[in-house]
Amino acid sequence: ERLMTQSPATLSVSPGERATLSCRASQSVSSNLAWYQQKPGQAPRLLIHGASTRATGIPVRFSGSGSGTEFILSISSLQSEDLAVYYCQQYDEWPLTFGQGTRLEIK
Amino acid sequence: EVQLLESGGGLVQPGGSLRLSCTASGFTFSSYAMSWVRQAPGKGLEWVSSVSTTGDNTYYADSVKGRFTISRDNSKKTLYLQMNSLRGEDTALYFCVWGGGNSFDYWGQGTLVTVSS
Repeated sequence: ERLMTQSPATLSVSPGERATLSCRASQSVSSNLAWYQQKPGQAPRLLIHGASTRATGIPVRFSGSGSGTEFILSISSLQSEDLAVYYCQQYDEWPLTFGQGTRLEIK
Repeated sequence: EVQLLESGGGLVQPGGSLRLSCTASGFTFSSYAMSWVRQAPGKGLEWVSSVSTTGDNTYYADSVKGRFTISRDNSKKTLYLQMNSLRGEDTALYFCVWGGGNSFDYWGQGTLVTVSS
């Protein structure tokens, strides 16, 4: 099983600044990695697939990078609406696994 | 517009059964794998099960293998999750999700399953 580890658990960033979230896989998942945003009280929403491809309708301030075992989700020019928990997920191998999430707080 | 509408959740005693349903619209249901993902109260996301386009191939998390059965009816554009031998740790919000074996592109709003005596 591919264990996904996200860091930090909580991140506090001021509006307008950049947020950098990390996700590490216990073994290589190639580029078979997705990022999701879950706002309070809502279902998750796909942000990034293929490690770096934005999903339909996702603003350009969201970007993903990495391959193998190390991945980054960057949110440039943070906005108050970006308050959420962010999850990474690998789909390289069954079972499909998620990271434990990073809670993004707005300073 | 893609819509996934779950139903069938509720309160059930330990050892009991429930069947969840998910009705899809806004896309060609029969062309896509589908999945269930759950979220225990205050916790993270856990993949539960996926099914291929035809229903011939199914996949399960170890935590539910042998107790849960995923299926689909393409003529009705409906996904199912039969849950037997339910345990307290199965208490969660269950999301119906478009995708399986790849990214989860669209999510329903979820149906709550509570296992308690």
